[in-house]
Amino acid sequence: DGGITQSPKYLFRKEGQNVTLSCEQNLNHDAMYWYRQDPGQGLRLIYYSQIVNDFQKGDIAEGYSVSREKKESFPLTVTSAQKNPTAFYLCASSIGDAGSYGYTFGSGTRLTVV
Amino acid sequence: EDKVVQSPLSLVVHEGDTVTLNCSYEVTNFRSLLWYKQEKKAPTFLFMLTSSGIEKKSGRLSSILDKKELFSILNITATQTGDSAVYLCAANTGNQFYFGTGTSLTVIP
Repeated sequence: DGGITQSPKYLFRKEGQNVTLSCEQNLNHDAMYWYRQDPGQGLRLIYYSQIVNDFQKGDIAEGYSVSREKKESFPLTVTSAQKNPTAFYLCASSIGDAGSYGYTFGSGTRLTVV
Repeated sequence: EDKVVQSPLSLVVHEGDTVTLNCSYEVTNFRSLLWYKQEKKAPTFLFMLTSSGIEKKSGRLSSILDKKELFSILNITATQTGDSAVYLCAANTGNQFYFGTGTSLTVIP
């Protein structure tokens, strides 16, 4: 079945550590996105990528980094520079123009800093 | 500043009730508005609206967009406990989506 797989589902990180969240899709979608969700706030865009080897910052990119070496994969690294990383992270993909087709979301990764 | 506002923030109803969820938006270069249902994990797609006044329906759910007044509503009739979820709306401006904070709906038996 086609879809988006995020791993791990739960992740604990010590302060000062970098962690990488995995996002893989087999939908042959061109565009991929990372969102962060906090209680009482809507989804906020961290980074997005419309084609391989290219990505753009979203609204809250500081403290995060991404890569897009393959069409299927868009990993997100939460660096030690991210001051408040505890959140629910959602990866999404779309057939090119998400405005016309909408997103397909992964099941999310809940990151907790301990 | 581009923004999307949903109301109410939370809602508790009894099974069988009808509910209306609101989404207003102020974004530049508006292209479409999407509704998602989020239970425990990933949001699932409900509707995409691009034209004013055309109702979209899926079973007990329906939605309509008013591009003049910049809002959309999501109606759920004859609610069931399985409708309990957070309902998100998002306005698309091309490359960007702006999400509201969501409306948390709880349906009690």
